[in-house]
Amino acid sequence: ETGVTQTPRHLVMGMTNKKSLKCEQHLGHNAMYWYKQSAKKPLELMFVYNFKEQTENNSVPSRFSPECPNSSHLFLHLHTLQPEDSALYLCASSRDDSPKKRNYGYTFGSGTRLTVV
Amino acid sequence: KQEVTQIPAALSVPEGENLVLNCSFTDSAIYNLQWFRQDPGKGLTSLLLIQSSQREQTSGRLNASLDKSSGRSTLYIAASQPGDSATYLCAAPYPNAGGTSYGKLTFGQGTILTVHP
Repeated sequence: ETGVTQTPRHLVMGMTNKKSLKCEQHLGHNAMYWYKQSAKKPLELMFVYNFKEQTENNSVPSRFSPECPNSSHLFLHLHTLQPEDSALYLCASSRDDSPKKRNYGYTFGSGTRLTVV
Repeated sequence: KQEVTQIPAALSVPEGENLVLNCSFTDSAIYNLQWFRQDPGKGLTSLLLIQSSQREQTSGRLNASLDKSSGRSTLYIAASQPGDSATYLCAAPYPNAGGTSYGKLTFGQGTILTVHP
């Protein structure tokens, strides 16, 4: 375990379903991230949260809705997804010190393998 | 905008060989660079983090170097083993437009390493 825990590990959902991905870290990090990794494509940043505030939304469709209730937990709520949304969804955290313009390295979770049918 | 390139895209070597993976970046104003390993269908495991003030970092059989002036980093793997087979990714963080986050990672495409017995 890396210190970043993602659940579930695998998820199969229909296009009309609503589901949520969960990410949890107890590393004392203040920033959390969602990344999408599709087959044979580079990692795509989706959302960034710093001290619970969303600081980046990388033009992600509204059918993906993030939630960050505190610095240790991050959710990705999914609804009316499309088959092309099938991918590995990775959560990460880091200690991000924007006043000092520094970041101290990322820790990733094991990912949720999502299949939309 | 930071761009990260990794060469080669794929590498196949016999067990026991020493090898070098290359990473280049366009914006030399990075404050760190991180190397990751990803096994098929799994999350990313951090291997080495080099701060901008450092020239290299070592962990076991791995050694990573950083040359900011030339925009390059290398990952050296000594005495390769079949268990080293994975995709290796390098990434450098950059700030968001508002400067409220310094942790957006730009990833290279990765080098797929196969070490055969």
